[in-house]
Amino acid sequence: ETGVTQSPTHLIKTRGQQVTLRCSSQSGHNTVSWYQQALGQGPQFIFQYYREEENGRGNFPPRFSGLQFPNYSSELNVNALELDDSALYLCASSLVAGRNYEQYFGPGTRLTVT
Amino acid sequence: DAKTTQPPSMDCAEGRAANLPCNHSTISGNEYVYWYRQIHSQGPQYIIHGLKNNETNEMASLIITEDRKSSTLILPHATLRDTAVYYCIVRANNYGQNFVFGPGTRLSVLP
Repeated sequence: ETGVTQSPTHLIKTRGQQVTLRCSSQSGHNTVSWYQQALGQGPQFIFQYYREEENGRGNFPPRFSGLQFPNYSSELNVNALELDDSALYLCASSLVAGRNYEQYFGPGTRLTVT
Repeated sequence: DAKTTQPPSMDCAEGRAANLPCNHSTISGNEYVYWYRQIHSQGPQYIIHGLKNNETNEMASLIITEDRKSSTLILPHATLRDTAVYYCIVRANNYGQNFVFGPGTRLSVLP
């Protein structure tokens, strides 16, 4: 167990709807990254938040947005859902300090868009 | 794109050592080699990382060649629970760097 929790576990949405996924980072970690993992592929980086600000973004459109709160928990919001957004969404927390940059992943949220 | 290449799949007998290779011929001097694994339907799990020296922890050993262009993850006594997809990633330990995952190696530990 990494101490990173995500909710909900599973979610079914309809194309065009909006969704919010939540992540609680490991105690003491100040950075949260979000990844999308399509079936049979490796995780793809969406963006990272450090001290409540976006700190790096992958090749995802603006309808993917996020927030980080003062307690370092985070949300991923996706607007105007498309069928291709169906995937496992992973968050990972890390402590940006010294040489320790390991990311610890949560169990993920399985999103199905119909 | 991922900067590493790994075989898509490997088998290993239970109790034997599993040696998973990774090529990273374009690795930069400030980039570390990280290994993660993902057991079916779970989030990736950190295994080990290193810069140029060999590393060992309670899970595995990481052997990095002297030219740093390749590495091998060694699970000394594989068990059925080690069946997973193993990802080799190179990443600089700089502020804002993320992990770029490739397709990984699917390791099957056979009884």
